[in-house]
Parts: sequence; structure tokens; C-alpha cells
Amino acid sequence: EAGVAQSPRYKIIEKRQSVAFWCNPISGHATLYWYQQILGQGPKLLIQFQNNGVVDDSQLPKDRFSAERLKGVDSTLKIQPAKLEDSAVYLCASSTRWDTDTQYFGPGTRLTVL
Amino acid sequence: GDSVTQMEGPVTLSEEAFLTINCTYTATGYPSLFWYVQYPGEGLQLLLKATKADDKGSNKGFEATYRKETTSFHLEKGSVQVSDSAVYFCALRSGGRNTDKLIFGTGTRLQVFP
Repeated sequence: EAGVAQSPRYKIIEKRQSVAFWCNPISGHATLYWYQQILGQGPKLLIQFQNNGVVDDSQLPKDRFSAERLKGVDSTLKIQPAKLEDSAVYLCASSTRWDTDTQYFGPGTRLTVL
Repeated sequence: GDSVTQMEGPVTLSEEAFLTINCTYTATGYPSLFWYVQYPGEGLQLLLKATKADDKGSNKGFEATYRKETTSFHLEKGSVQVSDSAVYFCALRSGGRNTDKLIFGTGTRLQVFP
């Protein structure tokens, strides 16, 4: 079974530029999550989708971050414009449904904002 | 709000030594508890979990017991190997209606030397 796929793996941009990350969850997984992991910290949930609807985006900085999950499969996370403090690893995870215990994580995208 | 506190690292051990990584939590209700591991260059992987008080999760020689009275979920292994070198994250699943947010600790880096 293929795991969660993410691209790109690495991205370097300058502040005020825009960037987008892509995630393809495990086939059949209804729930998709985006986490932000700043160096030296644990991952923090940014947004959770159930199929193509948003369940929780309470910690998403909506003035600059946006995410969508069209057709309930792939998802894109965008930052516009980026700030220095956005430098982090962005992790995508998926699970079969919202109330299962196991989330499967992708390898992450490491973003460096200069 | 819900939170997880785990011991700071790095933890440096010789091969075959005994490992303990402390984790305590604060939560309303009855969360599920997890240990995730992140090997160098790889994504987060679920190591073990426990869903109710007094449950013991185990995997790959690692164990952790859900202690409600002390709000703890310490990770232990009787004899570590060099291949166990990784960052270990304690987490709780903060449940609610249609959401299953994972709240992570800051991670503990384990370094095992031959």
C-alpha cells in the first residue's frame, strides 16, 4: 500500500513570496491533516479535512495560509505572502476516518524562508 | 487547553542500556495517548498507543503504560540498539465532535552509541 505522498520535499523562498505544497493521502482515507513542525517543536495541526470539507482550521493563520481539498482526495496548502517565521516542515497525514486512532504521515516538505 | 510535556533531550545511551523517556499530559476527558518516532530523513511513524487507563502499548521492544492517576505515559525499552536513534514524540488525541486533533510534545532526541 502506497503511503502519504508530499511534494516538493524541499523549498527555499524569499520572504513575501508565495509557495504551495501538495499532498496525496493514502487511497480511501477520508480524513486529511496538515501540520506545521517548527525546528525543536512538535507538530502543530493547521487544518483538518473530512472528505472535502474543513473540520478544524482554528490554528491556521488565515490571513496568509489557505488550503483546499478538491474532490476529497489531493490537497494543497498555500502560503501567501511568506514570512521568516513560516520556516518549518509541513507534514501531511491521513486516516481512514476522523475517529480512528492512527494517522499516517508523509515525509514532509521543508520550507526555508530567507 | 490540552497539552503534552516530555523530557528534553538529547538522551545519550550506550547500546543495551535501559531507556526511559518521560511524558506527562494535561487533558479534559479521556484522551488516547501515543508515541511517534521520527528516524533521520523520514516521516513520523506511530510506535505505540494506549486508548484507556492502565492500557499498555508495546511495539519493537518499546512499552508505555497509560497512568491516569499520574497523567503519564512514559516510554521504556529494556535494551536499546544503535538503530533506535531517532526523535520520539509523545502525543495525545484530543477528541471532539468530528475532530481528532493530535497534540504533540516537543520531542526527545535519542542517540545510542555502540
